[in-house]
Amino acid sequence: TQLLEQSPQFLSIQEGENLTVYCNSSSVFSSLQWYRQEPGEGPVLLVTVVTGGEVKKLKRLTFQFGDARKDSSLHITAAQPGDTGLYLCRGPTGDNYGQNFVFGPGTRLSVLP
Amino acid sequence: GAGVSQSPRYKVTKRGQDVALRCDPISGHVSLYWYRQALGQGPEFLTYFNYEAQQDKSGLPNDRFSAERPEGSISTLTIQRTEQRDSAMYRCASSPTGYEQFFGPGTRLTVL
Repeated sequence: TQLLEQSPQFLSIQEGENLTVYCNSSSVFSSLQWYRQEPGEGPVLLVTVVTGGEVKKLKRLTFQFGDARKDSSLHITAAQPGDTGLYLCRGPTGDNYGQNFVFGPGTRLSVLP
Repeated sequence: GAGVSQSPRYKVTKRGQDVALRCDPISGHVSLYWYRQALGQGPEFLTYFNYEAQQDKSGLPNDRFSAERPEGSISTLTIQRTEQRDSAMYRCASSPTGYEQFFGPGTRLTVL
């Protein structure tokens, strides 16, 4: 069974600080996705990384896929209160042409003004 | 509608009762997924469909849980003889390809 671990579990920082959250697995994933979930809402896709070593930037967010495709990181520069939420990584697992997915447990980020 | 809708948004039931949770996906989306999410945790996969065919139900906790999507659109997740441990947020997501999923607002189920 392919599992995803995320760290830290909780993170509380001040506005303007930088932070990095991690998604790790002992298994190789063909791709990983990052979602953000705000309280009371469903997860919303932020990015998909598919190539080992790939780096994608989305405004103040930088996503990296590990060379071995077993891990990924999300770096936020100059965090803002609007970045508060649960950050989830997700990867395809099993057969069925990669349509079954597993989520990590998430990192709950709180950015204080 | 523009997005995935779920009903009811909140359901309170007594232990032992059956409940049916409905998901109305984005029109034309091939895939439909059901997840269960505990507070502060990531979604836990339950089952998914491509069109009307149930592709994987390995995440269903036990045989009290079942799901159907008879016409390849609306789906119903049914929990029979509910137990307190079934209390959770149940989320549905639809996808044109399976890759990017669009989540509904969820149904919060409370079993007393």
